[in-house]
Amino acid sequence: GQQVMQIPQYQHVQEGEDFTTYCNSSTTLSNIQWYKQRPGGHPVFLIQLVKSGEVKKQKRLTFQFGEAKKNSSLHITATQTTDVGTYFCAAMYSGGGADGLTFGKGTHLIIQP
Amino acid sequence: KAGVTQTPRYLIKTRGQQVTLSCSPISGHRSVSWYQQTPGQGLQFLFEYFSETQRNKGNFPGRFSGRQFSNSRSEMNVSTLELGDSALYLCASSLLGRYNEQFFGPGTRLTVL
Repeated sequence: GQQVMQIPQYQHVQEGEDFTTYCNSSTTLSNIQWYKQRPGGHPVFLIQLVKSGEVKKQKRLTFQFGEAKKNSSLHITATQTTDVGTYFCAAMYSGGGADGLTFGKGTHLIIQP
Repeated sequence: KAGVTQTPRYLIKTRGQQVTLSCSPISGHRSVSWYQQTPGQGLQFLFEYFSETQRNKGNFPGRFSGRQFSNSRSEMNVSTLELGDSALYLCASSLLGRYNEQFFGPGTRLTVL
């Protein structure tokens, strides 16, 4: 089945530092979603990227979709304790089916005050 | 608008037993997807139902089954429980299907002893 690699698995940062997580696929994606899951919580939708080279911003969060539509990144500027959690990408492949939407294993963001 | 609800929130079963989990989607959403979340495997897709029809099924054994009712509420059943079935089971509802924004419920934490 389709697989999407998400790195790093864990990221420790000091509060105020920046954070980036990456998702990489060996095949072209149709589009990609990003979710955030707080500790003990459930995934919450952040954004969906569709177009090649697309960049979207939500306050301190910047989402990018690669030109080849094989990778994506989420960048957080000046992290705050409220950013703690696991960030997942969900990669969508054309053709649908069970593998049509595959979640990365997530990046756990740990913030030290 | 009320969010996605799942019952029960916690469940402890023993090997060989069966279990039924319930999910009530956001009003108006006809798509319900089920996921299994474990620390090792991340979020894995079980199945999606749309207007009472199973759209897709993930790579899980036949012990895992589901259904959706006319009011869009969904149930999943796991028969002959195994220790490895211990996980957080999440359901997600969507207006148009899982390739669009999904709203996750709080999950059911299943422990198999």
